[in-house]
This record gives sequence, C-alpha cells and structure tokens, in this order.
Amino acid sequence: GAGVSQSPSNKVTEKGKDVELRCDPISGHTALYWYRQSLGQGLEFLIYFQGNSAPDKSGLPSDRFSAERTGGSVSTLTIQRTQQEDSAVYLCASSLQGVGNQPQHFGDGTRLSIL
Amino acid sequence: AQKVTQAQTEISVVEKEDVTLDCVYETRDTTYYLFWYKQPPSGELVFLIRRNSFDEQNEISGRYSWNFQKSTSSFNFTITASQVVDSAVYFCALSEVGSGNTPLVFGKGTRLSVIA
Repeated sequence: GAGVSQSPSNKVTEKGKDVELRCDPISGHTALYWYRQSLGQGLEFLIYFQGNSAPDKSGLPSDRFSAERTGGSVSTLTIQRTQQEDSAVYLCASSLQGVGNQPQHFGDGTRLSIL
Repeated sequence: AQKVTQAQTEISVVEKEDVTLDCVYETRDTTYYLFWYKQPPSGELVFLIRRNSFDEQNEISGRYSWNFQKSTSSFNFTITASQVVDSAVYFCALSEVGSGNTPLVFGKGTRLSVIA
C-alpha cells in the first residue's frame, strides 16, 4: 500500500515500561506529524518533522516523550516510563511538504494501553 | 491562539435526512486553511476537504457540501440524503500558514450516527 504505515497496531504494556511506536510515511512526503487521540478528546499535536529542519516539539506533554526521524523517512515515537494517562491512540500523518495547505494523510494509528 | 470548536458532540439522524455539522474556529492569522476529516469505525482518518482563507466559495462534492463564512468564522459541513455509511466521527481542523505553524489544530469531533 502507498499510505502511511504504523506499527504495532496495538500495544499493551505495564506501567513504567518504555515503548516505541513506528511510522513509515508516504514515499516522497517530507513532513511527518505525530498526534495523540485520547478517549473523548480530539487529536492533540505532539511533534512535527520537516525535512532536515529541527523538529517542532512544542506539543510533547513531558520529557518522557521523544521522537526521531531517521534518513528523512521512518519515524519512531518513544515514551519512557509509561503512565496510565499515556493510554491513547497515537496517530502519524505525513504531507508532501510542511506547509499549511497540504492535506495530511494519516495512518491507522497505534492503540496503546498501559496497565 | 488557534482553536476549533465543534459544539455538536453527537448527532443521530435517520437515513436520507440531511445533516449539518458545525465548525467554528479562532485564529489571529489572515492566512489559514480549514479541513474536514472523517474517522469511520475502522479508525483511519480520511481527508475530505481543504479550504483556504481567501476562498469563501462554497463547495459541493456529491452529497457533501461545505459552507465557509469568514464573517462568522464558521466552516460547516452538510451531508445531503445521509446514508448508513456516513456514520463516523467528523473532525474539523485548522492550520495557520502566516505563523509558519503547520500542525493541525482539531476540534473534538462530532459523532454522526445514521440509522437505517
């Protein structure tokens, strides 16, 4: 498929463990975004990568959250010492360019459950 | 500050009824884009439409139509002759261009249930 691919689709882990979520954007898309969707809430922006520029981390809720994007393609979102409030669906999106008029195309998300 | 408000949390209609989903936004930028996304029960977010702040022309795509009014900061979405397959959560979103800020700001969504 040519869409945004996220893995795993579901992740269950114990409180305090670290987790890594992966996103493979659409080929050729230079902009990549991570959002979080909690139950009953809208989508919350976490972090944004555009080409080789420094990422916009303004949405990360705490220093337990970090993300990297290697080679301008695949991105990994890492949550350290997970807490129950981290339980949510984590969505990745990519767009052709990091400009506001480009529609963002979303993956199916990773549903994270912290026990 | 940018903000998107979807006041309708849930709407339920009978098949073939028309339904309008409301979206009101706040922004200080003069250049911005508005979007609607559909999230069906399967979970993926599907892009429906993009509108820029300089184009207030309404748009129709099949049974879908969008009414953008800058005077009221609204970007409402109407589904005509609704079908069961339209059942989903619909999100309105805003992207400010003038400030160079491109991540989307989403409303909390409206859950639409179309009953056969």
